[in-house]
Amino acid sequence: DADVTQTPRNRITKTGKRIMLECSQTKGHDRMYWYRQDPGLGLRLIYYSFDVKDINKGEISDGYSVSRQAQAKFSLSLESAIPNQTALYFCATSDVRDGTYNEQFFGPGTRLTVL
Amino acid sequence: AQSVTQLDSQVPVFEEAPVELRCNYSSSVSVYLFWYVQYPNQGLQLLLKYLSGSTLVKGINGFEAEFNKSQTSFHLRKPSVHISDTAEYFCAVRSNQAGTALIFGKGTTLSVSS
Repeated sequence: DADVTQTPRNRITKTGKRIMLECSQTKGHDRMYWYRQDPGLGLRLIYYSFDVKDINKGEISDGYSVSRQAQAKFSLSLESAIPNQTALYFCATSDVRDGTYNEQFFGPGTRLTVL
Repeated sequence: AQSVTQLDSQVPVFEEAPVELRCNYSSSVSVYLFWYVQYPNQGLQLLLKYLSGSTLVKGINGFEAEFNKSQTSFHLRKPSVHISDTAEYFCAVRSNQAGTALIFGKGTTLSVSS
């Protein structure tokens, strides 16, 4: 089973609809992240959370909100979707062990299309 | 704040040729550096990372990168590429200070042809 899972994997929705993307992990990591990927722009950080009570805005948080329901779950919401939020969304996790920062592990992605 | 510049958006090469994908970063503090690969229609997979120690880092699939602090670079190299190396490659940086996240470059598409 995958360590980082995202649901749904694909979603088509209409402008103005509320959408929630979910991320779950079994790696036991404290840190979770949401990125969006657009062609030619790489991955841009939307929100990140270093533990259940810690939520931080990333580079492009406008139009998005998040919820860290538990250590293993981190959801991304689009309250009122708009077409320029059409993108590939990735969830990632990481931890710090023995004072050493470890790499981020990525989920398979959610392809969101807003019509 | 940190930033990453990948100097080439596309790199076409022939099979068995050497390749270098260039990455420069800016930061006022010490950093950790990463290269990720994304194969078509897949997620991101870590190729290699530099945290400390030796500046030459070896990764999976025959790739290596060299951290050059004076030139603030972390270029990725492979002496002989295969068709299967065709993918998008992302350089990423994170400061060594608590409370920060990975910042990615815009990616380089490596296209290997026969």
